[in-house]
This record gives sequence, C-alpha cells and structure tokens, in this order.
Amino acid sequence: EAQVTQNPRYLITVTGKKLTVTCSQNMNHEYMSWYRQDPGLGLRQIYYSMNVEVTDKGDVPEGYKVSRKEKRNFPLILESPSPNQTSLYFCASSPRVLREATQYFGPGTRLLVL
Amino acid sequence: GENVEQHPSTLSVQEGDSAVIKCTYSDSASNYFPWYKQELGKRPQLIIDIRSNVGEKKDQRIAVTLNKTAKHFSLHITETQPEDSAVYFCAASGNNLFFGTGTRLTVIP
Repeated sequence: EAQVTQNPRYLITVTGKKLTVTCSQNMNHEYMSWYRQDPGLGLRQIYYSMNVEVTDKGDVPEGYKVSRKEKRNFPLILESPSPNQTSLYFCASSPRVLREATQYFGPGTRLLVL
Repeated sequence: GENVEQHPSTLSVQEGDSAVIKCTYSDSASNYFPWYKQELGKRPQLIIDIRSNVGEKKDQRIAVTLNKTAKHFSLHITETQPEDSAVYFCAASGNNLFFGTGTRLTVIP
C-alpha cells in the first residue's frame, strides 16, 4: 500500500531533550516536506527536500533540522525542543515539485514539550 | 513569499444548502491551487485541485474556480451533507505549498 508513515504518533518530552520524528514514504517520491499545524494558523512549512541531499528552509525553520540521506526517509530533528514547538506535525511527499503533482500527507505526530 | 488569505474562518449551513469558501493569494507566480479537507484528528486529504491554465474544475458536488487576474480562487460545495463537516484549507503553490488558515464548515442536519 502506497503511504507516508510517521513515528512516533504521539510524544511528550521535556525542554532541551533532543528528539527525532521519522518520516518514510514507499512511493519513490522526490519531494518531501514537513509542516506544523497550530490552531488558527493553518499549516506552515518547516523544511522541504526536492531530492536526496537537497534540503531547504520553509516558512518556520528555526529550531528544526532535517536530513535526506535516502529518497524514502526525511527525519525531523529538534535538537533542543522548547514549549513553543508543541504542535501537530505532518510529513508529506509528492512525486515531483508541487506545481506538477499532488502532495500526500502522513498521519501526523502530536508533540507536547513541557 | 506567498501569502494566502482564507475566508470565512467558520461557516454553518443547513443540510442541502451550498457552501462557498474564498481564498486570495499574493504571488502571481503561483500556479497550483489545491483544496484539502481535514476531519478531526486526521491528516489533510486532497479533495480537488486546479492549475493555472484552467478557470474552473468540478468533481461531483464540489467545484473550484480560479481568477488569476484577481488572484483569488474559491471552493463551492453543493447539496451539503453532514459528512461534509470538517476544516477546509486552501493552498497556493509554485515550488512550495502555502496554506490558508482554514475554514471550519458545519453542516446542520
């Protein structure tokens, strides 16, 4: 089954404790992206990747890192999480750049930073 | 970067009536305009999209219109049903996707 998966789905952590949220797609998609969703703000892009070893900042990259060592995986790293990073996070992938192709979302990761 | 504004933020309609959600965008280079539906606790799901070479697209009870000159696009849902109740997001894209802030649609049986 074609899908985007994220792990963990729920995470409670404390300020400053490094964490990684994994994202994987099995559709051989070139484009992958991370969003955060906060009430009243919609979805805002954190980072995106157009292909292996190619990543770039989105709208709200501060406090986050990403890597794209393999086509299928695009982990989101919070080196020193803070309470303002409490949010719902979505990974997404697309066969090509978005002007040409549809984007598919993972199930989401709900993060609480205490 | 792109700025997408979406109105209204909440919308209540009677079952069977039509619902219209409007969005404007700022970057004239944007050329892909998807609409997503998000049910409570779920991921956004694409319901319809339109590209800049098309002015209107329809899929059963939903339709999207695009006015590139005025930089606005709209979602129209006809014959609304309770299962249409959800949050709807518009978005505009060149290389990246910029979302509106969402419209919570409630269909009253």
